[in-house]
Amino acid sequence: AQKVTQAQTEISVVEKEDVTLDCVYETRDTTYYLFWYKQPPSGELVFLIRRNSFDEQNEISGRYSWNFQKSTSSFNFTITASQVVDSAVYFCALTNGYNKLIFGAGTRLAVHP
Amino acid sequence: DVKVTQSSRYLVKRTGEKVFLECVQDMDHENMFWYRQDPGLGLRLIYFSYDVKMKEKGDIPEGYSVSREKKERFSLILESASTNQTSMYLCATQPLAGGTTDTQYFGPGTRLTVL
Repeated sequence: AQKVTQAQTEISVVEKEDVTLDCVYETRDTTYYLFWYKQPPSGELVFLIRRNSFDEQNEISGRYSWNFQKSTSSFNFTITASQVVDSAVYFCALTNGYNKLIFGAGTRLAVHP
Repeated sequence: DVKVTQSSRYLVKRTGEKVFLECVQDMDHENMFWYRQDPGLGLRLIYFSYDVKMKEKGDIPEGYSVSREKKERFSLILESASTNQTSMYLCATQPLAGGTTDTQYFGPGTRLTVL
């Protein structure tokens, strides 16, 4: 069975701090895809990144970076120099392409000025 | 840009009422999904559709039904609303060309309260 665990329910940081959101997944498939979505207070989930299981290269996009490690079944998300606008709920999700998208419970990030 | 709209941002209904939640997309995506989001549980799939007039159950279909008469519109129906259906409901779309691993695009959500 597939499962996604986001152990951090809530994180609170002060602006300009770096913060890492953890995502640990379980799957027996060799081919799978991982996603991160951001849900700001407006409610709409915004797509951030999609990564397939054969691409373990870390990715950086501005202040955002993702660390994919198959050895530990983790796909962690780091925000560098956090800003108030980063305050949101962040979801990690997993699919093998044949079954539905499985979401973690989400991590609520609060960035204070 | 993909645009997914939902008929209401906030909705308050009474127990036993029939409730319709509408989702409309403008990107000609084949796949459409309905999720509910509850604190500590993330998003759970209620129903999805890969084509007009086609529907498949997700993880938690009990108490819900869906309708897809046109490609751009996917409706979620609560036949007889109950208080345990108070939740945030999110609609999503996905292009078929990318396969089921492609990105899903979400609407703004409808926060439903059943009294």
